[in-house]
Amino acid sequence: QVQLVQSGAEVRKPEASVKVSCRASGYSFTDYGIHWVRQAPGQSLEWMGFINVDNDNTQYTQKFQGRLTISRDTSASTAYLELTSLRSEDSAIYYCARGSCTGCYLIDSWGQGTLVTVSS
Amino acid sequence: DVVVTQSPDSLAVSLGERATLNCKTSQSVFHSYYKKYHLGWFQQKPGQPPKLLIHGASTRQFGVPDRFSGSGSGTDFTLNISSLQAEDVAVYYCQQYYHAPITFGGGTKVEIK
Repeated sequence: QVQLVQSGAEVRKPEASVKVSCRASGYSFTDYGIHWVRQAPGQSLEWMGFINVDNDNTQYTQKFQGRLTISRDTSASTAYLELTSLRSEDSAIYYCARGSCTGCYLIDSWGQGTLVTVSS
Repeated sequence: DVVVTQSPDSLAVSLGERATLNCKTSQSVFHSYYKKYHLGWFQQKPGQPPKLLIHGASTRQFGVPDRFSGSGSGTDFTLNISSLQAEDVAVYYCQQYYHAPITFGGGTKVEIK
């Protein structure tokens, strides 16, 4: 079955960076895209960006332009999110999620989430 | 960006009764090529990631019980739970996936009355 397994919780100081990984299994990694969505405590879901795993094209929401990098390693079936210049409002659970095809925006499976805490 | 507005914020329904959740998009999310609305519904239980229930506004994802149904057209959509079960207690989010950036509604919390 489709599984997306994310790396563990992280604690960072303001202005630091964080990199979260998402290892996929149970399907052909290059046949589907990977989205990153975050959820602040008690809040709704916020889409951050997307990578077409097949051709490595990325798309980021404007809010995170310049601070966010989404990448992938096809040999390891793993996608990554890196967020720089962290601030307290970046404290959230970060989810990777599978798009229903390489370029699809429909999300059909989710990782378990990675808690990122930004605190001095 | 497409604004997605859900109502009500919370809903308390008796076991076995119907729950009706609403979702409105600020622009059409109808994809004329696929002839489908690019509107999905997700269920999120405490401490868990969201789970896809409905896509294309009305197509149940594999394995989703048939008490869940989606409908709607234009910019107004509805998720119905025909006979609420205890395991349906959750927050439900609608999402449009037609326009980038993908946007989610604020969620509707469903509880047992």
